[in-house]
Amino acid sequence: DGGITQSPKYLFRKEGQNVTLSCEQNLNHDAMYWYRQDPGQGLRLIYYSQIVNDFQKGDIAEGYSVSREKKESFPLTVTSAQKNPTAFYLCASRNKLPRPGELFFGEGSRLTVL
Amino acid sequence: GESVGLHLPTLSVQEGDNSIINCAYSNSASDYFIWYKQESGKGPQFIIDIRSNMDKRQGQRVTVLLNKTVKHLSLQIAATQPGDSAVYFCAENTGGFKTIFGAGTRLFVKA
Repeated sequence: DGGITQSPKYLFRKEGQNVTLSCEQNLNHDAMYWYRQDPGQGLRLIYYSQIVNDFQKGDIAEGYSVSREKKESFPLTVTSAQKNPTAFYLCASRNKLPRPGELFFGEGSRLTVL
Repeated sequence: GESVGLHLPTLSVQEGDNSIINCAYSNSASDYFIWYKQESGKGPQFIIDIRSNMDKRQGQRVTVLLNKTVKHLSLQIAATQPGDSAVYFCAENTGGFKTIFGAGTRLFVKA
């Protein structure tokens, strides 16, 4: 079945460590996104990519990095520079043409910093 | 700045009644609006969308209304069921690929 796969579902990290969250899609979508969700809050955009080898900062990019080497993959690295990384991270993708449609989301990755 | 907000953080309705969830947006250039449903511990799921050249769109048991004059969006759920209990987000697209989400409304359905 087509969809978006995020891994791991749960991740624990010690302070000062970088961690990478995986996001893979087989929907043949051009655009991919990373959002952060804190308890009782909406989704805030971290990074997005409209095409391979290109990506743009969202509203809260500081302390995060991404890469888009393949159309199917858009990993997110949470670096030690991110001061409050504990959150629920959501990856999404969408069609680009003929017009942007709805976002398709993965099941999320919950990161806890110990 | 750009923002999408919701009037009520929680909404409680009796099973079988209709639900109305409201959303205000601030960017008059937004041309595409989407409602998502998020169940606990899961990613949001698409419910219904509407483009700015429309003022109403109906789906199965759901209707989205768009009032561009007052920058208001609403989601109506007919005959609300226990399975409708979730957090509902409105989101807006400003013509590019950036999608902004509101804070969400938690819907409780009482049996």
